[in-house]
This record gives sequence, C-alpha cells and structure tokens, in this order.
Amino acid sequence: GAVVSQHPSWVICKSGTSVKIECRSLDFQATTMFWYRQFPKQSLMLMATSNEGSKATYEQGVEKDKFLINHASLTLSTLTVTSAHPEDSSFYICSASSGGLRGDSPLHFGNGTRLTVT
Amino acid sequence: GQNIDQPTEMTATEGAIVQINCTYQTSGFNGLFWYQQHAGEAPTFLSYNVLDGLEEKGRFSSFLSRSKGYSYLLLKELQMKDSASYLCAVRDSNYQLIWGAGTKLIIKP
Repeated sequence: GAVVSQHPSWVICKSGTSVKIECRSLDFQATTMFWYRQFPKQSLMLMATSNEGSKATYEQGVEKDKFLINHASLTLSTLTVTSAHPEDSSFYICSASSGGLRGDSPLHFGNGTRLTVT
Repeated sequence: GQNIDQPTEMTATEGAIVQINCTYQTSGFNGLFWYQQHAGEAPTFLSYNVLDGLEEKGRFSSFLSRSKGYSYLLLKELQMKDSASYLCAVRDSNYQLIWGAGTKLIIKP
C-alpha cells in the first residue's frame, strides 16, 4: 500500500515554456503533499507543502509565481514550472504520507520527474 | 540552525557489514527515518526510530540514541544491489522533515 505515482518520469522542454508535473496518491488520501527538488549529488530540498483545498506553503527562496502548485483533490497535486529556464533543470520529486503528519508516518515518494530545459 | 551530518561516501565489500552514522541537531525530535535512494530514482523508506535502541528489519537495522543525537543504519550480508545513497531524516518539533545530504555506499565484489 501507500503508493504515490508521479508523471511524467522525464521531460525535455524549451526555455520559456511551462511544464506540468502530476502527483497522485493511488491507494490513500493525502491532504498534504510535499514537493522536493534534488540536484545531482545533493540532498532533497523541500520546495513547498501542498495543501488540499488551500494555498501551498512555499519554502524561503522558492518563487511561488514560478512554481505553481495546485492541490484540487485528496489524491492529486500538480506542480507547474512556468517559463522554465535551464537553471530549473533538476529532479523533482513529490511525496505524501498515508498517516498524515503523524510522527511515525513515513513519506512515500513518487518516482520523480527529471526536467531538462534546453 | 538545524543540521544533520552523515559521511559523504563509504565503500564496503559484498557479504560484509557496514554501519552508516548520522548525527543531528534539530529543534525538537519526533522521529528519525532512514531512506534508500538508487541513482536516478526516488527515495524508498527503510526504517523509523523514535525511542532509543535498535530496530531490526531483515538485513537492515537502525539504532537511535536521542541523548547523543545519534543514529546508525547497519547493513548486513551486503549485496551488490545495496549500492545506493542512504538518507537520514529527522522530524522536528513542527513535524517538518530535515534531510541529511545522504551517504553514497559503494559495494565492491
């Protein structure tokens, strides 16, 4: 159980275009989902916390107008990278907890999306 | 500030045992997680500790000492497929996960 599906797995886009990444919890409801990015050989960096039915909470330094997050249902959150630039190329990973924010509830991750902006 | 330290890279031999250490300084503590991440893939959950002591799960064990701000992940009977990065993460008083940079484990035949 506790499967998180992320799509697409990889995407190549031209500079200036927008890319949408979907994250779905397949067998549980997730009122909260988390979006991370990871550069090569670096740790996970939390970008934002996506809350169903309300605005996302962005981490310091993350532009909310550039990284649009929509969490319209209990099983789907989307991240749209708007006007992408080469420096946005990275590995984007979503995650959710089947136990909410309970202390012992681990995060389950989607398979990640490798974005390359040319 | 909040900080999690783990070695950058470790090398071990197939069939052997390896211990990956993690020390943390966080504002509050609500549990410590270990994750495995193969190159180009997302992390997968390995273990959770919230009380002091050893949690054993097959070939993998995880230990926690809250007073020392210390944990380790012990991998026994190493297999080539265990080559991966191992991430230590602590849930702080706000239930936010603080991530270590990960330890890249290289298994040699």
